[in-house]
Amino acid sequence: QKEVEQNSGPLSVPEGAIASLNCTYSDRGSQSFFWYRQYSGKSPELIMSIYSNGDKEDGRFTAQLNKASQYVSLLIRDSQPSDSATYLCAGSSYNTDKLIFGTGTRLQVFP
Amino acid sequence: DAGVIQSPRHEVTEMGQEVTLRCKPISGHNSLFWYRQTMMRGLELLIYFNNNVPIDDSGMPEDRFSAKMPNASFSTLKIQPSEPRDSAVYFCASSLVAEEQYFGPGTRLTVT
Repeated sequence: QKEVEQNSGPLSVPEGAIASLNCTYSDRGSQSFFWYRQYSGKSPELIMSIYSNGDKEDGRFTAQLNKASQYVSLLIRDSQPSDSATYLCAGSSYNTDKLIFGTGTRLQVFP
Repeated sequence: DAGVIQSPRHEVTEMGQEVTLRCKPISGHNSLFWYRQTMMRGLELLIYFNNNVPIDDSGMPEDRFSAKMPNASFSTLKIQPSEPRDSAVYFCASSLVAEEQYFGPGTRLTVT
């Protein structure tokens, strides 16, 4: 069973701090990884994609990928209360168009 | 761009009734995905299409569920007969480049 694992949280951080969200995956054939943000009652929104080992930065967001350790992370700098949401990690399934989603980590940013 | 469009946004029906959910993917996208999300099971892939052809329906829970994509701009997910355990939020997503999926607003289904 191919899996993507995330800590369900909640992860609570103060406003202005760095939030670190982590994800591990079991399918060594996975090549691409995605972070989605989902506000309560809304649909998942794609915020980051990462395809190669290392870091990828986009504004306050940095995605990190380590294929040897089968580990993906998302760092949110200068966290804001508006970042409070559930963050879903997803990995590609080898040789298909499918994504395997984790169950999500709930992030709470308090003022 | 209008994004992925789903209808209806909310559906309340009685057990045993037929339910049809509709999806219009982003224009130009060639893959379409149907997901179901519940608190207990998270986000589950039900079926996906590539160029209007069903590729993988292994996530469809049972024969009561069926999906069609008659053309590149329209897909339906049908449940017949519906049961209370089908209550969930159903999302449609589409993609052009393999794997970058964009989700619609979802249909919240309640079966009483």
